[in-house]
Amino acid sequence: DAMVIQNPRYQVTQFGKPVTLSCSQTLNHNVMYWYQQKSSQAPKLLFHYYDKDFNNEADTPDNFQSRRPNTSFCFLDIRSPGLGDAAMYLCATSIIGVGYNEQFFGPGTRLTVL
Amino acid sequence: GENVEQHPSTLSVQEGDSAVIKCTYSDSASNYFPWYKQELGKGPQLIIDIRSNVGEKKDQRIAVTLNKTAKHFSLHITETQPEDSAVYFCAARMDTGRRALTFGSGTRLQVQP
Repeated sequence: DAMVIQNPRYQVTQFGKPVTLSCSQTLNHNVMYWYQQKSSQAPKLLFHYYDKDFNNEADTPDNFQSRRPNTSFCFLDIRSPGLGDAAMYLCATSIIGVGYNEQFFGPGTRLTVL
Repeated sequence: GENVEQHPSTLSVQEGDSAVIKCTYSDSASNYFPWYKQELGKGPQLIIDIRSNVGEKKDQRIAVTLNKTAKHFSLHITETQPEDSAVYFCAARMDTGRRALTFGSGTRLQVQP
């Protein structure tokens, strides 16, 4: 089945130790998003790619970076994780075109920072 | 930018009863309104959506209504079942510009058997 896949599902890192989360999709969608979701809160958009065009949210910390080497893959890099970065990280995809609006989410990666 | 408010934050109903969750949005340019269901430890799952050229949409036990004039939309779940228990998020987006979803704060629905 076509889907959005996130690896790993659970990630534990140490304070200040860089970590990379990955997302892949078989939907061939041209837009990929990264959201941060903290407990009992709504997902918060960090950034998104429209094809190769990177769009950063104004309040996304510089500590968060992203890469999209091809249509199928997108990575979230946290350069120096702090305790406040512990959260669920959600990848989503969408296709922009007439009549297409749906945004599909992956299962998420839960990040723990020790 | 867009702002979406969602109420109630928690909702408890008896199995078989109906549940209604309401959202309001601020940007009249928004024209796409999805609803997501999120179970514990999982990503949000799209359950139904509505576009601004439609006032109501139904899919089995789930329906969504949209009032563009008042800028509010609602999710209706009939004949609730324990497996409907989850957190539900509404969202809004316009099809120009950013095309990113703005989410409401979520409603935790508990269906009591």
